[in-house]
Amino acid sequence: AQTVTQSQPEMSVQEAETVTLSCTYDTSESDYYLFWYKQPPSRQMILVIRQEAYKQQNATENRFSVNFQKAAKSFSLKISDSQLGDAAMYFCAYRVNRDDKIIFGKGTRLHILP
Amino acid sequence: DAGVIQSPRHEVTEMGQEVTLRCKPISGHDYLFWYRQTMMRGLELLIYFNNNVPIDDSGMPEDRFSAKMPNASFSTLKIQPSEPRDSAVYFCASSSSLGLAGGMGTQYFGPGTRLTVL
Repeated sequence: AQTVTQSQPEMSVQEAETVTLSCTYDTSESDYYLFWYKQPPSRQMILVIRQEAYKQQNATENRFSVNFQKAAKSFSLKISDSQLGDAAMYFCAYRVNRDDKIIFGKGTRLHILP
Repeated sequence: DAGVIQSPRHEVTEMGQEVTLRCKPISGHDYLFWYRQTMMRGLELLIYFNNNVPIDDSGMPEDRFSAKMPNASFSTLKIQPSEPRDSAVYFCASSSSLGLAGGMGTQYFGPGTRLTVL
């Protein structure tokens, strides 16, 4: 079964510091995509960053970057210069290319300390 | 571009009443997904459509739940009769198989409908 594991239910980071959220997934597929979504208190699910498995270069979006380790099936999210607006639940997700559905992890709640 | 639109944003109803949630996907997207989110169960996929046709409804909890997509720009999720345990946030998401709006089958979510059944 395809699963996505986020081992940190909650994390805290000081404003302006860097934090890394971990994610591992289990699959036997080779063609897939990985995503990080953010869900702030407003409840809106917002795409943060995504990565194609065939690309070795790690994706970056401004202060957000990923560390994709395909052999280890790891897809961590790094947030640099943390801001108060980054406080949210973060979901790691995964989609096999031959499937329509996205598999979501349970989420990591990130607190930003002023 | 308008994102996924859901209505109503909040719904409070009494047990036994019929509830209808509405969704307008992003124009040009051919996939539409309905999710339910609760503290206990997290984010659950209820059903999804491709080109207005239901593909997988295995996540629909009971016969009280039904979903339709009469055209490419509108879908409904209906609960009849509603029960207190149906209280949750219901999300609609859409995606494209044609590489539009980012590709990779990225799902774009609506703001959700917070349903409370008393």
